[in-house]
Amino acid sequence: EDQVTQSPEALRLQEGESSSLNCSYTVSGLRGLFWYRQDPGKGPEFLFTLYSAGEEKEKERLKATLTKKESFLHITAPKPEDSATYLCAVHAIQGAQKLVFGQGTRLTINP
Amino acid sequence: DAGVIQSPRHEVTEMGQEVTLRCKPISGHNSLFWYRQTMMRGLELLIYFNNNVPIDDSGMPEDRFSAKMPNASFSTLKIQPSEPRDSAVYFCASSLAGTVYGYTFGSGTRLTVV
Repeated sequence: EDQVTQSPEALRLQEGESSSLNCSYTVSGLRGLFWYRQDPGKGPEFLFTLYSAGEEKEKERLKATLTKKESFLHITAPKPEDSATYLCAVHAIQGAQKLVFGQGTRLTINP
Repeated sequence: DAGVIQSPRHEVTEMGQEVTLRCKPISGHNSLFWYRQTMMRGLELLIYFNNNVPIDDSGMPEDRFSAKMPNASFSTLKIQPSEPRDSAVYFCASSLAGTVYGYTFGSGTRLTVV
C-alpha cells in the first residue's frame, strides 16, 4: 500500500530561521511527488511536482528536492506569511489519478 | 476563472439527517475528485469521476455515502443518514481529464454532525 509520512507534525521558527520539512514515501512506482500549501479554512494550493530522484524545484523562499525514498521542502529565511500547513502527496504508477497525501507539517513563523 | 466552487462552506446538522454537498469544477476540467480531511486521517480520496463517470469509489466509507455527477459542471456528495463521525472538511478538486496535473481544490465544506 502506498504511504506518505511527513515530519515533523508541527514546526515553529523565528522569522529568518531556515529549516527543512521531510516527506518519506513508500510506493510501488513513483510517477510524481507533489507539494501543496494549505492555509486555514482553505483548500490545498499546488506548489511543486517532482518526478525523479535528484530533481529540484524552487519558488521564492521554498526549494523542494527528491530522493528515491523521501522529499524535502527547504525554507530559507522564512517570513510570517509562510506560515501554513505543507502537504506532500504521491502519485503512484499503479494509482491511476489518485494522490495519496501525508498528514502535513504545520509551520508557524514568528516575527 | 472562479476556481472550484463548493457549497455550502459550513453545514451543521443533526445525526440522522441527510446532507448534500455541492461542487462546481473548473470549466474545461473533466476529472472531479471528492476528498475528506480530518485531523486523524488527513486527506483521503473518497471518489473520482472522469467525464462524469465514476471511476474509483473505493474510498467511500459506507453505503450511507453517495456521489453523482449529472453533467460536466456539477457534482454532489450525499450522506444519508449522517453520523457524528462524518464530521470533517470535505473538499472537491478538479483536473484535466485523465491526469493529476492542474489538480485544483475548492475551499471545502466544513460539516459538523451533532
